[in-house]
Amino acid sequence: GAVVSQHPSWVICKSGTSVKIECRSLDFQATTMFWYRQFPKQSLMLMATSNEGSKATYEQGVEKDKFLINHASLTLSTLTVTSAHPEDSSFYICSATSRSDNFYEQYFGPGTRLTVT
Amino acid sequence: KNEVEQSPQNLTAQEGEFITINCSYSVGISALHWLQQHPGGGIVSLFMLSSGKKKHGRLIATINIQEKHSSLHITASHPRDSAVYICAVNGIQGAQKLVFGQGTRLTINP
Repeated sequence: GAVVSQHPSWVICKSGTSVKIECRSLDFQATTMFWYRQFPKQSLMLMATSNEGSKATYEQGVEKDKFLINHASLTLSTLTVTSAHPEDSSFYICSATSRSDNFYEQYFGPGTRLTVT
Repeated sequence: KNEVEQSPQNLTAQEGEFITINCSYSVGISALHWLQQHPGGGIVSLFMLSSGKKKHGRLIATINIQEKHSSLHITASHPRDSAVYICAVNGIQGAQKLVFGQGTRLTINP
């Protein structure tokens, strides 16, 4: 099946610094990628929808200047957490869609655990 | 009320038991997904359904479009099945976005 990778798998950074997370579709081209955040024992929360070559669409309440998303190619989207604060510590997951007949299969990355100290 | 509701929220069973997790939704959908998330965090897509029933190994997923209900069954459960199982739906509009249920935490004891 299709594979989505994320890098890094975990990162610890100091408050005020920026962190970039990469999401790659390894064996298919994904026109759309999604970025989610998940706090402990909670469900995934959609942060933004990323389309190749266009600006990301952010969900209500998600600061687009803080969470910068770039979708430069059909296989790569990046999420940059700028001026990170301890409350940004979370598990960040991306997914990529692949169209199959009339449906969209979603493939999830393994996630990136961010800890801001 | 959430658009996607799962039950139960937590389920503990003994190895070998037949497991059923339910999902009800209140919106029109184009597809329903069952996902598995292990303690390490990674998410695996188990099934995508638009009608009927699918089977993969010991896992069976069914959907009843008229009743807006889906079930995930695990036969001959095993401790390695312990995970959070998440039901998610693609709406008809904005079909690529997923709306998630709150998840069911399954623990299978040996």
